[in-house]
Amino acid sequence: AQRVTQPEKLLSVFKGAPVELKCNYSYSGSPELFWYVQYSRQRLQLLLRHISRESIKGFTADLNKGETSFHLKKPFAQEEDSAMYYCALSGRGAAGNKLTFGGGTRVLVKP
Amino acid sequence: DSGVTQTPKHLITATGQRVTLRCSPRSGDLSVYWYQQSLDQGLQFLIHYYNGEERAKGNILERFSAQQFPDLHSELNLSSLELGDSALYFCASSVDSGVLIGNTGELFFGEGSRLTVL
Repeated sequence: AQRVTQPEKLLSVFKGAPVELKCNYSYSGSPELFWYVQYSRQRLQLLLRHISRESIKGFTADLNKGETSFHLKKPFAQEEDSAMYYCALSGRGAAGNKLTFGGGTRVLVKP
Repeated sequence: DSGVTQTPKHLITATGQRVTLRCSPRSGDLSVYWYQQSLDQGLQFLIHYYNGEERAKGNILERFSAQQFPDLHSELNLSSLELGDSALYFCASSVDSGVLIGNTGELFFGEGSRLTVL
């Protein structure tokens, strides 16, 4: 079974402050982890994936297999970062792909 | 615009009824995924189709069924509706089958169909 846990439902930070969204996963195989984001009145969209090791809009996320975590971080939050963020895990099997999402964390960046 | 279109956007119906939600994937995408989002459950994976064939099943109730047609659009059928079926139903598409190495994992989501069962 695969499971993704995002312990914080809401994170409220001031503009310019660091923000970290926690994500923990449970999966017996080798996982692929992603962060998806949904801005107000927009569709859910991919933010970044761990295999790319990229920084998108100032966000980075490191996969820590020892701690089974994939926390999302940004050193200086901006107001436009206010959105709903979902951590997701891809557990692939012979039968097909299954992207499992966490419960989501709402980020509110205050001016 | 991601190109995934879902109809209807909103639907209100009564318990015991049957509804069909429709999804057209992005042009060129062969995979279609259905997710249910309710207030207390987050995004729950229902089912995945690739090029007309069912590939993976999640927590989909027996009262629900889906299919993907030759033109690659998909329909999710919900029957004997209950109050608890009220939710936002998302469709997503991707170009790959999900089983190949190097799957990008990027799903392109529609805006969702909001179902209210009264």
